[in-house]
Amino acid sequence: DVKVTQSSRYLVKRTGEKVFLECVQDMDHENMFWYRQDPGLGLRLIYFSYDVKMKEKGDIPEGYSVSREKKERFSLILESASTNQTSMYLCASQTSGRETQYFGPGTRLLVL
Amino acid sequence: GQQVMQIPQYQHVQEGEDFTTYCNSSTTLSNIQWYKQRPGGHPVFLIQLVKSGEVKKQKRLTFQFGEAKKNSSLHITATQTTDVGTYFCAGRNRSGATNKLIFGTGTLLAVQP
Repeated sequence: DVKVTQSSRYLVKRTGEKVFLECVQDMDHENMFWYRQDPGLGLRLIYFSYDVKMKEKGDIPEGYSVSREKKERFSLILESASTNQTSMYLCASQTSGRETQYFGPGTRLLVL
Repeated sequence: GQQVMQIPQYQHVQEGEDFTTYCNSSTTLSNIQWYKQRPGGHPVFLIQLVKSGEVKKQKRLTFQFGEAKKNSSLHITATQTTDVGTYFCAGRNRSGATNKLIFGTGTLLAVQP
């Protein structure tokens, strides 16, 4: 079974803080994704990566950056957290050539 | 940009009643996937449809991909309390990157025992 883990289930940060969300997958998948989930808006893609050190912007990249130094790890960075970044953040991984995405348990972030 | 809308946003049914959620894309899709997210959980892949007009069944769940490949539906027969959760469709634009999915807005299903 594919296992995707995220560093925290719940996180509370203050406005202006730098926030790191980490995601690790154990299936040697090439592709990894970061989404945020908000009521009524579904899942919106922030960034994705199809290889180490490669990244592409998704639909809502503003205010976020990412890092993929190792194949198994994909980090989402909020350089200066703002209250409108309060959300559920979901990481997913996918092997190239297959379309199914496997999700981590999610991190619920509250920015005060 | 491409949008994938789902209706209804929320549905409350009595156990045993049927349920349907509809997924509509503004552009033609290469394929469509369906995911289920239990309360407090994360999305889990259910099925993928690829062909125009394709219909697939999983026990009480019936999935359909429209002839024009711009819409899809998920029908649950005789709902059970275990069906509770949010159902998402996700599609890839026919000309889009292989690895990028556009998720629908989701339908939250509540089942009253």
